[in-house]
Amino acid sequence: NAGVTQTPKFRILKIGQSMTLQCTQDMNHNYMYWYRQDPGMGLKLIYYSVGAGITDKGEVPNGYNVSRSTTEDFPLRLELAAPSQTSVYFCASSYSTGIQYFGAGTRLSVL
Amino acid sequence: KQEVTQIPAALSVPEGENLVLNCSFTDSAIYNLQWFRQDPGKGLTSLLLIQSSQREQTSGRLNASLDKSSGRSTLYIAASQPGDSATYLCAVNGNQFYFGTGTSLTVIP
Repeated sequence: NAGVTQTPKFRILKIGQSMTLQCTQDMNHNYMYWYRQDPGMGLKLIYYSVGAGITDKGEVPNGYNVSRSTTEDFPLRLELAAPSQTSVYFCASSYSTGIQYFGAGTRLSVL
Repeated sequence: KQEVTQIPAALSVPEGENLVLNCSFTDSAIYNLQWFRQDPGKGLTSLLLIQSSQREQTSGRLNASLDKSSGRSTLYIAASQPGDSATYLCAVNGNQFYFGTGTSLTVIP
């Protein structure tokens, strides 16, 4: 069991570029989440999904998009990168509202 | 909007001490509360999950309590070890998940 796998681990973007952060889980969890963590801060929920084909906004969704075409995958899309999106991004999954399992994170810098 | 606060922000204790970390939240309409551990540069690891109907959960040297009516949870760590050094975060699950900013714990050998 790999758990929750995030790629890439590190990325540097220029302002205005686009990219997709990948997240895959092999635990057959129905719930998946994307968070961002800024230095010295707690995690803030960007988007979440309760099952394939169903997504909903979290606390800080602006500038991001998601899709959930399969149970396993939950990619996060940044369309026009801005310096304010410099952060560490974490993907997580859970069975319903149970224990959340986290990936190792993607460290993104927008310059 | 749910506000989650963790006090203290940082804590340094000698090895072997028992300690308590605090988490408070403003909206008591929650499904559950989770405590996580985060090591520097790493992801989060779930330590304990307490359902809203429960008062406490235990795992090894860790004990978490929940008082939903007063909006408080505590994480008790017994006989602390240097390997316990990490940041501890609580997360409240209501209509969404809200995290506190964490307590950075250092256990001095």
